[in-house]
Parts: sequence; C-alpha cells; structure tokens
Amino acid sequence: SQKIEQNSEALNIQEGKTATLTCNYTNYSPAYLQWYRQDPGRGPVFLLLIRENEKEKRKERLKVTFDTTLKQSLFHITASQPADSATYLCALGGNTGGFKTIFGAGTRLFVKA
Amino acid sequence: DADVTQTPRNRITKTGKRIMLECSQTKGHDRMYWYRQDPGLGLRLIYYSFDVKDINKGEISDGYSVSRQAQAKFSLSLESAIPNQTALYFCATSETTTGTDNQPQHFGDGTRLSIL
Repeated sequence: SQKIEQNSEALNIQEGKTATLTCNYTNYSPAYLQWYRQDPGRGPVFLLLIRENEKEKRKERLKVTFDTTLKQSLFHITASQPADSATYLCALGGNTGGFKTIFGAGTRLFVKA
Repeated sequence: DADVTQTPRNRITKTGKRIMLECSQTKGHDRMYWYRQDPGLGLRLIYYSFDVKDINKGEISDGYSVSRQAQAKFSLSLESAIPNQTALYFCATSETTTGTDNQPQHFGDGTRLSIL
C-alpha cells in the first residue's frame, strides 16, 4: 500500500540554523508533492508545491527538493526563527493516487532562541 | 473572518449519540473534503465532494455520512458515535482543476471530538 514516512521524532535546532525535514514515500509515483505547516489547535496551511519534473522550488527562506529516484523530498528552512516552530506535513498526489492527496503524519520542529 | 469555518470547535458526547459537524466556506471553491487526524497518523480522507451533486467515499467512510447542502456548506455526521471516532476533524476546500488535482487545500481550524 502507499506509504508516506516523516520523522516522528521532533527536530530541535538553534535559531539561525537551517532546519531540514525529510519525507519518504513508497509504493507511489506522485505527480506532485506539497508541504504544509500546522500550528497547535489550527488547521494545516499550504506552503509549497513541487511537481515531479521539478528538482527544487524556493520561496523566501523555504526550499523544497524532490527526488523521484530516491522517492524523497527534503524541506529546508534557512535562518530559522522561533516563529518557525510548528509541525510540518508533506502530502503527495496525482498519478498512482489519482486526484486524491495523501498526507504524512508530520514532523514537529522546535527552534530555540 | 476565516475562509473555512468549522463548528463546533470542541464537542464531548456519549457513545451512541448522533453528531453533526458543520463546515462553511467563503472561498468560492467547488471541492470540499472531510478528514480526521489522529496522533501519529496522517490526515485520513473520510468523504469528498467535487460539487453540490457529487459525494464520494474516502479512505475511512464507514460510520460517517455527509451532506453537501450548498456550494459553501458541507456537513459530516456520525449516526451512532463510538469511542474510536474520537479524533480531530478537519474540513478543507480546493479549487477545481482539470486532470490531476494539484491545487492546495485550505483547511478550517478543526473540531476536536471526544466520545465517551
């Protein structure tokens, strides 16, 4: 069955450093991959989308890579700030899964001042 | 005002009760979704609707039903609640697209449902 894996352990980093979160998937050939941010008590908020024919996408301090050979996406936050502390979800869709978007369980990020 | 509004935000009820969770949106999107979120699990799709006359089952529809009353309103019902339906429930919307749906989803802030 289709499976998305995100590190269940929280990531703790110091302010100013680059945070790198990983999303791995199996039994899937997605047409696109999305990243969302979720704060406690709130719904997920869309951040970035990257398509299968794109290697990298950037938006301000955020960078996403998509390696369809490794079946992996990396999500980077450069110059991290305490306000970046949240849970980050990756989501896949298209191709094998049709129109539906499948979400990972997310990785909690803590940025210490 | 929020673009996607869910009511109630919190609900505690007893096993066997009928419960309705409501979702309304001002984004003008045709597509709406209901998900549940459990600790350690990703968001799981319960039902989705591509327009007012379209209702489809998702991954975990057993024990749930939905109603799309208008483009802006999509409600989720638990006919006879059971404790393992205790979870965080989210409504989401997205724009319509042709072919593969790669439009971002816009979520409400969720309903925390506890069934005793």
